[in-house]
Amino acid sequence: DAKTTQPPSMDCAEGRAANLPCNHSTISGNEYVYWYRQIHSQGPQYIIHGLKNNETNEMASLIITEDRKSSTLILPHATLRDTAVYYCIVRVLDGTSYGKLTFGQGTILTVHP
Amino acid sequence: NAGVTQTPKFRVLKTGQSMTLLCAQDMNHEYMYWYRQDPGMGLRLIHYSVGEGTTAKGEVPDGYNVSRLKKQNFLLGLESAAPSQTSVYFCASSYEAGGASTEAFFGQGTRLTVV
Repeated sequence: DAKTTQPPSMDCAEGRAANLPCNHSTISGNEYVYWYRQIHSQGPQYIIHGLKNNETNEMASLIITEDRKSSTLILPHATLRDTAVYYCIVRVLDGTSYGKLTFGQGTILTVHP
Repeated sequence: NAGVTQTPKFRVLKTGQSMTLLCAQDMNHEYMYWYRQDPGMGLRLIHYSVGEGTTAKGEVPDGYNVSRLKKQNFLLGLESAAPSQTSVYFCASSYEAGGASTEAFFGQGTRLTVV
């Protein structure tokens, strides 16, 4: 699986959009970009994933650049409960990776009142 | 729907003692995983299972054994606990089928301290 690079920490004001970047310059054509978050040492929680098109769900939006070398997770209206460690992960979905998730250090997002 | 349940939530062991961590999922997932998380680090895969009766090594398998006798349960064993195994352990499950996959669902973790 391709390696990802994320900033170690970011701050965001409550109610504003939080934009979390991720660099995955060595991503392969069959690798998807996944985002998970971990709130205060709870089990990680899935947020969103995508291959090359932008994706949106009730939690967030995922913007993937055209060359797929980077992506941005957008929390449109951050709340205090969004304070967490956010992990960007790339993996294949062809049955060879057995669902293995390779976690890096992630980005600690702190949402301020 | 309970999702993924881990037992126990906390445990303190003495060096050399043994214990088993239990993970149970009620989503009929074939794939199950055990991860450990050390302070300030991301999760690392210990062992995983792609179905009942099958297990495989992950990134950091030494000192651990696993069993998957029933589809819904995945057990992680420590035969002789060491202080280096002090960690938070997370179990997860997912549906995987070639190009299709659900997200991984994680349990709430087991905090293990070996003294």
